Amino acid sequence: RKEVEQDPGPFNVPEGATVAFNCTYSNSASQSFFWYRQDCRKEPKLLMSVYSSGNEDGRFTAQLNRASQYISLLIRDSKLSDSATYLCAVCEGKSTFGDGTTLTVKP
Amino acid sequence: GAGVSQSPSNKVTEKGKDVELRCDPISGHTALYWYRQSLGQGLEFLIYFQGNSAPDKSGLPSDRFSAERTGGSVSTLTIQRTQQEDSAVYLCASSRDHGSDAQYFGPGTRLLVL
Repeated sequence: RKEVEQDPGPFNVPEGATVAFNCTYSNSASQSFFWYRQDCRKEPKLLMSVYSSGNEDGRFTAQLNRASQYISLLIRDSKLSDSATYLCAVCEGKSTFGDGTTLTVKP
Repeated sequence: GAGVSQSPSNKVTEKGKDVELRCDPISGHTALYWYRQSLGQGLEFLIYFQGNSAPDKSGLPSDRFSAERTGGSVSTLTIQRTQQEDSAVYLCASSRDHGSDAQYFGPGTRLLVL
């Protein structure tokens, strides 16, 4: 079993839809959590950190569930420009990245 | 401010040749990471540095791969006797400190071994 697992998708949604991704992790001692966005043939870019109490940045909401050992990313009112691969990262001593979930937002 | 930079951005080499890939981290970042990513795949961890030391080299795929970091700044990843399966994008990232801080990635070096 991988340390960090994500549903690879692809998720194909229409513009304006709400979409959510989960990322499960196996190390209960994990301390820090992040979501990254990676566009095709580009490097991953930090999207947002994930805080214990949950946090929001515009249309994006990140949540942490320590009991069930997963983090989630919710995107509201999807835009065409949200099409990308979303990677989660879980840190405990070192960062472990999921393989990513691919999102395609269609007109 | 300046982000992580990598050079060259693209490298085409012949099988059996050695290549050197360079990474300039964000100023002041003590931790530096190397990853490899093949087309359509996830990130493959190679090695990380804390300062000039490499506590975790567990991801280096073979003894043909080595890396060093000098002055707590620039890092070089060297691949000796390149093979076609080494073709991939090599990404470097840095963070303020190791363990719990977010990583910031460079644009990568696209390596093609013919």
